[in-house]
Amino acid sequence: AQSVAQPEDQVNVAEGNPLTVKCTYSVSGNPYLFWYVQYPNRGLQFLLKYITGDNLVKGSYGFEAEFNKSQTSFHLKKPSALVSDSALYFCAVRGGTASKLTFGTGTRLQVTL
Amino acid sequence: GAGVSQTPSNKVTEKGKYVELRCDPISGHTALYWYRQSLGQGPEFLIYFQGTGAADDSGLPNDRFFAVRPEGSVSTLKIQRTERGDSAVYLCASSLLRQGRGTEAFFGQGTRLTVV
Repeated sequence: AQSVAQPEDQVNVAEGNPLTVKCTYSVSGNPYLFWYVQYPNRGLQFLLKYITGDNLVKGSYGFEAEFNKSQTSFHLKKPSALVSDSALYFCAVRGGTASKLTFGTGTRLQVTL
Repeated sequence: GAGVSQTPSNKVTEKGKYVELRCDPISGHTALYWYRQSLGQGPEFLIYFQGTGAADDSGLPNDRFFAVRPEGSVSTLKIQRTERGDSAVYLCASSLLRQGRGTEAFFGQGTRLTVV
């Protein structure tokens, strides 16, 4: 079975400060990891993914994520947060022979002036 | 179309009624997923199609839920004898999974189902 944990229900950060949204995973075999963002009354939008190779992957809107195999983590980061980044963020994993994506419970990011 | 399209965007139905939710995936995408998202929760997997066949229906909660994709494109999620606990946002996604398991899925805007 595959699973994702997002330990923080909400992350608060001031605009201009760096942000981190945490994600850990459990999977059999090689993990394929994804971050999605959800704005109010909108569907999920793909941000970035890790398949293989460099542990630091870059995605849309200046976001990046760091894969750490030993800690089974895939934390989402951004060097300088914007108020417009405020949204719900979901980490997801697909592993082994599975075709489905398994999502975490989400982390609400609140960026304030 | 340019993205995954789901209709209707909102559906209110009475307890015990039958509902159908439609998903039109991105053209050419062979893989199609249905998820359910309850308030404050992450998307919960329901069923996955590769082409016309349901390759994984392990997430369907019970036999009141059924999904079809007869021509390998549009899919319909069918819920019989709806219950208030079925109220949620139903999300559809598609992808070119044949490119590998690292392929991302693209989601529609969802159908908000309310059972009263």
